[in-house]
Amino acid sequence: GAGVSQSPSNKVTEKGKDVELRCDPISGHTALYWYRQSLGQGLEFLIYFQGNSAPDKSGLPSDRFSAERTGGSVSTLTIQRTQQEDSAVYLCASRREDFYNSPLHFGNGTRLTVT
Amino acid sequence: GDSVTQMEGPVTLSEEAFLTINCTYTATGYPSLFWYVQYPGEGLQLLLKATKADDKGSNKGFEATYRKETTSFHLEKGSVQVSDSAVYFCALRDDKIIFGKGTRLHILP
Repeated sequence: GAGVSQSPSNKVTEKGKDVELRCDPISGHTALYWYRQSLGQGLEFLIYFQGNSAPDKSGLPSDRFSAERTGGSVSTLTIQRTQQEDSAVYLCASRREDFYNSPLHFGNGTRLTVT
Repeated sequence: GDSVTQMEGPVTLSEEAFLTINCTYTATGYPSLFWYVQYPGEGLQLLLKATKADDKGSNKGFEATYRKETTSFHLEKGSVQVSDSAVYFCALRDDKIIFGKGTRLHILP
């Protein structure tokens, strides 16, 4: 079946512009995560959506970052007034919640470059 | 808060060498532990997991044992292959899933 789909795969934007990154999780996966992968920083947790519960936003680095998940499916990560340090690969992952330790399924990421 | 610390890379070994990648964790509860792998040009995927103390996860010749007393989950393989070259991430799940910074492994033929 289809995996986690992210778009765009690459995004180049000018400093100060807003960007939106999209994630389509695997159908039926109620848990959705956003991570940021940058050189030397590994995989940094950003935000976690779990079913109908309030999202865990504890990893968002500043108030320029926000994320939504509409209808329990598609999620959008928005970065306002982008800065050069926002350049990274943004990864989305989803998992089933009916099986406690079901694995995360990752998308291929969006590579964001802020010039 | 919860955290994962793993050895910095890159790690370079010859084929058939023994591999250890160290991973230690800090958690308030009793987390499940994971190793994920990212092969060149591919997305992250689960390699193995362990859900409670003394559990051993294994897959593709890799093993890791959940050691509560040392809060560790070191990844081992007895004889590595060139195809094992990848970035390896240790992770824990208490509530959300937290990853270490990753260890890049290069295997030389």
